[in-house]
Amino acid sequence: AQSVAQPEDQVNVAEGNPLTVKCTYSVSGNPYLFWYVQYPNRGLQFLLKYITGDNLVKGSYGFEAEFNKSQTSFHLKKPSALVSDSALYFCAVRGYNNAGNMLTFGGGTRLMVKP
Amino acid sequence: DTAVSQTPKYLVTQMGNDKSIKCEQNLGHDTMYWYKQDSKKFLKIMFSYNNKELIINETVPNRFSPKSPDKAHLNLHINSLELGDSAVYFCASSQEDTSYEQYFGPGTRLTVT
Repeated sequence: AQSVAQPEDQVNVAEGNPLTVKCTYSVSGNPYLFWYVQYPNRGLQFLLKYITGDNLVKGSYGFEAEFNKSQTSFHLKKPSALVSDSALYFCAVRGYNNAGNMLTFGGGTRLMVKP
Repeated sequence: DTAVSQTPKYLVTQMGNDKSIKCEQNLGHDTMYWYKQDSKKFLKIMFSYNNKELIINETVPNRFSPKSPDKAHLNLHINSLELGDSAVYFCASSQEDTSYEQYFGPGTRLTVT
């Protein structure tokens, strides 16, 4: 069975500084990896995905993520954080089981960007 | 122009009641999902429907039943509500075998008293 770990419950960063939100995964076969963001009282918004190709994928709002197969990681990054980036971030992996495809989410990381 | 919509946004009800949550997507996707987000924000998939066929059913009590009248709708029926059912329920959709990412509705906050 697939799994996702987000080791940090919260990440604090000052506005203008680079940010990293960590994610490691476990899945059989080639991983399909995703990042989502959730603002308070809202649904999840898709940020970016890795399916195949370049290990560095770019997504919405200036976010990017680096796929590292040897470390089974897919860390989310942004060169310069904004206060408006403060939200809950979820990493997810698409895997396979007897019932078909499924998306497994990590526990989420709360990003706090302070002015 | 909302891609994935859910109704109602809030639902407060008493234990033992039966309730439904509706979901509609206008993205033309072939797969729809229901997720439960608990108070600790943990997300767990409940159901998945592909072309009106249930393809995933996690360890969810049979009090929960998804109903899909057509490809654009996936409703969630809950019978004999319990206190532990209180959570936020999210509907989502995706186009499998092409883009894979899921698009989520705004959520329905269910409170059982």
